[in-house]
Amino acid sequence: QSVLTQPPSASGTPGQRVTISCSGRSSNIGNNYVYWYQQLPGTAPKLLIYRNDQRPSGIPDRFSGSKSGTSGSLAISGLRSEDEADYYCASWDDSLTGWVFGGGTKLTVL
Amino acid sequence: QVQLQQSGPGLVKPSQTLSLTCAISGDSVSSNSVAWNWIRQSPSRGLEWLGRTYYRSKWHNNYAASVKSRIAINPDTSKNQFSLQLNSVTPEDTAVYYCARAIGYIDNWGQGTLVTVSS
Repeated sequence: QSVLTQPPSASGTPGQRVTISCSGRSSNIGNNYVYWYQQLPGTAPKLLIYRNDQRPSGIPDRFSGSKSGTSGSLAISGLRSEDEADYYCASWDDSLTGWVFGGGTKLTVL
Repeated sequence: QVQLQQSGPGLVKPSQTLSLTCAISGDSVSSNSVAWNWIRQSPSRGLEWLGRTYYRSKWHNNYAASVKSRIAINPDTSKNQFSLQLNSVTPEDTAVYYCARAIGYIDNWGQGTLVTVSS
């Protein structure tokens, strides 16, 4: 059972906008940043969004993040077939003194 | 550009010790602004942070409560790398293990090592 809660699946058609939610508590998202990672099959997770809404260099602006209270959200606009992957949220947890992750959302591009 | 290269056995017998190493290029294990982490991933447990080591005038470690009694993460400054040792493994420790750098957040991951615990 993951500390952060994500929907197990999401889907959309090419060109659509999809959002993925991530729910936590005051000890993690409520008091710290939210991060998002993309994982393609057989590869390590890749940083997509840091500090709630910042994109590392090389990440398209189709990817955006936000945070409100104890929840975070990842939005992907102009959906493309190559966006089909697993997406994970993460945050630091002050009570556990460690990083916590969501269970992952499998995005299918129909 | 930092790169993390993992090495270690892919098969460990139950009750024995799992040992992995993460070689760092493009950064220093002794950096004052970085933490070096181990994370594992399995279908049953998802992504699970195991612990970290970092240097801030002296060496510090934090470990996840789930493995605290049997884990050690150690730096090796002479080889610019860090290691994971997990004792008394069981089949539940079967997972893909990743080393990762954190600069306030986890930004770089090793390639991953599938470790199977089986006799």
